[in-house]
Amino acid sequence: AQRVTQPEKLLSVFKGAPVELKCNYSYSGSPELFWYVQYSRQRLQLLLRHISRESIKGFTADLNKGETSFHLKKPFAQEEDSAMYYCALSNYGQNFVFGPGTRLSVLP
Amino acid sequence: EAGVAQSPRYKIIEKRQSVAFWCNPISGHATLYWYQQILGQGPKLLIQFQNNGVVDDSQLPKDRFSAERLKGVDSTLKIQPAKLEDSAVYLCASSSYVGYEQYFGPGTRLTVT
Repeated sequence: AQRVTQPEKLLSVFKGAPVELKCNYSYSGSPELFWYVQYSRQRLQLLLRHISRESIKGFTADLNKGETSFHLKKPFAQEEDSAMYYCALSNYGQNFVFGPGTRLSVLP
Repeated sequence: EAGVAQSPRYKIIEKRQSVAFWCNPISGHATLYWYQQILGQGPKLLIQFQNNGVVDDSQLPKDRFSAERLKGVDSTLKIQPAKLEDSAVYLCASSSYVGYEQYFGPGTRLTVT
C-alpha cells in the first residue's frame, strides 16, 4: 500500500540555520512526489514537485529512489518559512496520499 | 482568478444527523478532489472527479458518504448519518487537469457531538 511518513511532528531551527524536513515513502512503482505547505491562516498550497526540479522560496527536494525519500531542504531558514509542511505522492495524478505533516518553527 | 470556494465554513451537528458540504472549483478546472483532514493528520483523499466522472473513490466510506459533481462544475459531499469520528476539516481542491497543480479551498470544519 502507498504510504508517506514524516518522522518529525515539530522541527524548530534558528533563523539562518539550515533546515531539512524528512519524507519517506513506500510505493511499488514510480510515484510523483510533492511538498505542500500551509502558512498560518492560509490555504494549503503546492510548494514544489519533484518532476519540476525547481527551487521555490529557496527550498529544494531531491527524490532518492534507492532510499525512497524526498527530503525538503533549505540552506538558510527564514522566519517566514514557519508553517506546516506536508509531503505527498500520487500515481500519475491519481491516488494522492499525504503524510502527517511537520510543523516548522523558525526562531528569531 | 477566484479561488476554490467552500461552504459552510463551520458546521456542528449531532451524531446520526446528516450534513452536506458544497464546493465551487476554479472556473475551467476539470479535476475536483475532496479530502478529509482529521486533527493532527494529513489530508486523506476521499474522492476525485474528472469532469462529472469519478476517477478514484477507493477511500470513500460509501455506506455513509456520497459525493456528486453534476454538470462537471460544483460538487457536494454528503454524510448520512454522521458519526463522532467524522469530525474533521473537509477540503476541496481543483486542478485544471489530472496531474496538474491542485488549488485548495479554505475547508469546512465539521464537529459531530
